[in-house]
Formats: sequence, C-alpha cells, structure tokens
Amino acid sequence: DAKTTQPPSMDCAEGRAANLPCNHSTISGNEYVYWYRQIHSQGPQYIIHGLKNNETNEMASLIITEDRKSSTLILPHATLRDTAVYYCIVRVAGGAGNMLTFGGGTRLMVKP
Amino acid sequence: NAGVTQTPKFRILKIGQSMTLQCTQDMNHNYMYWYRQDPGMGLKLIYYSVGAGITDKGEVPNGYNVSRSTTEDFPLRLELAAPSQTSVYFCASSRPFAQGAIIYGYTFGSGTRLTVV
Repeated sequence: DAKTTQPPSMDCAEGRAANLPCNHSTISGNEYVYWYRQIHSQGPQYIIHGLKNNETNEMASLIITEDRKSSTLILPHATLRDTAVYYCIVRVAGGAGNMLTFGGGTRLMVKP
Repeated sequence: NAGVTQTPKFRILKIGQSMTLQCTQDMNHNYMYWYRQDPGMGLKLIYYSVGAGITDKGEVPNGYNVSRSTTEDFPLRLELAAPSQTSVYFCASSRPFAQGAIIYGYTFGSGTRLTVV
C-alpha cells in the first residue's frame, strides 16, 4: 500500500472550510484514497473515499489531483465537533482481509 | 442496530495476569479486526479474521491470541500481561470488498482502555 504524508496539525475557524491535505506520490492505479477521523479517542469513523474522481457526501468532499499524487479533504463549514484526528489512507480495494493501515494523521483543531 | 460492541470499556491488569477483550458485531460482517492505539499514535493491526474459523496475524501480534468461532464474535486474549500492552484496543468489522466494503467502510467499536501495572 502507498504511504501517505499529512501535516501533523492544523487549525480552522468555526464556520470556515477546513482543507486537509494528503500526499500520496507513490499511489498505484488500483489504489483508493480513504479518509477516516477519530474524535477524542473514540473509534475511527469512515468519512469518504475515492479513486480518480472528486467525491462528495453529507460529511465532506474529496478532491483528488489529476495525477492522483495528492488529495484534499474538505469540511465545508467546520464546527467544534469536527475537532478530531483525520487519517488519509491509501490502499488497494479488496485484497486479503481489507486491512487499513493508519499513519499519524492530522490533528484538526476547530476554534470558535 | 448496535454495530460493534466492545467490553469492558476500562480495565487495569497486573503484570502477568490474563484477560479476554470481547468484541461482537450484529451486522453480519465477514471481516473483523483488532487494533491497538498507543497514546498520540495511529492504530496498529494486531489480528484479523476473514470469517468464522479463519484468523491471521497483523503488524503487532506478539503477546495476543484470537479466535473466531462465530461470525458475530472475535475475542482478543492477553495471556501474560506486560506494561507494553497498556493501550486502547479497538475492534472493527467490515464487509468483504465484493459486498461493498469500500462504500460502507469499517465500523469501529468504542474501544477498551487497558492499563497494565
């Protein structure tokens, strides 16, 4: 699975968009980009995933560059409850056991 | 729909004691996982199972054992607790890829906070 690089921490003002970058320059053509978040030591929560196209759901948007070497998770209107550690994970779909490998993530602090 | 349930939520063990961390899911997921998370770190995979009767080692399996006799349950056993096993343990489940694992992602339990003294 491709390695990912994320900034260790970011701040965002409440109500503004939070843009969390992820670099995955060694990504392969059949690898997906997944985003999870972990709020204050709770179990991680699935947010969104993508392969090539930009994706949007009720939680967030995922922008993947054309060369797929980086992506950005966008929380359009961050709230205090979005304060969490955000993990960007790149891996092949399927495979033995569907395992996800978690790195250090980005600690997002949403401030009033 | 309870999802993934872990018990206990907290536990303090003495060095050398044994215990079983319980995990059960009611979503009929084939795949189940155990992760540990040390303070300030990401999650590391201990063991996983792709179905009843089938288990395999993850990244950090030493000091742990698992079993999977039913689809619903995936207990994690610590035989001789050591201070290095002080951590938060998360159980998770998912569908296989062919059944939509990408779309639905993993479902995690709320964790068991274990301290070994």
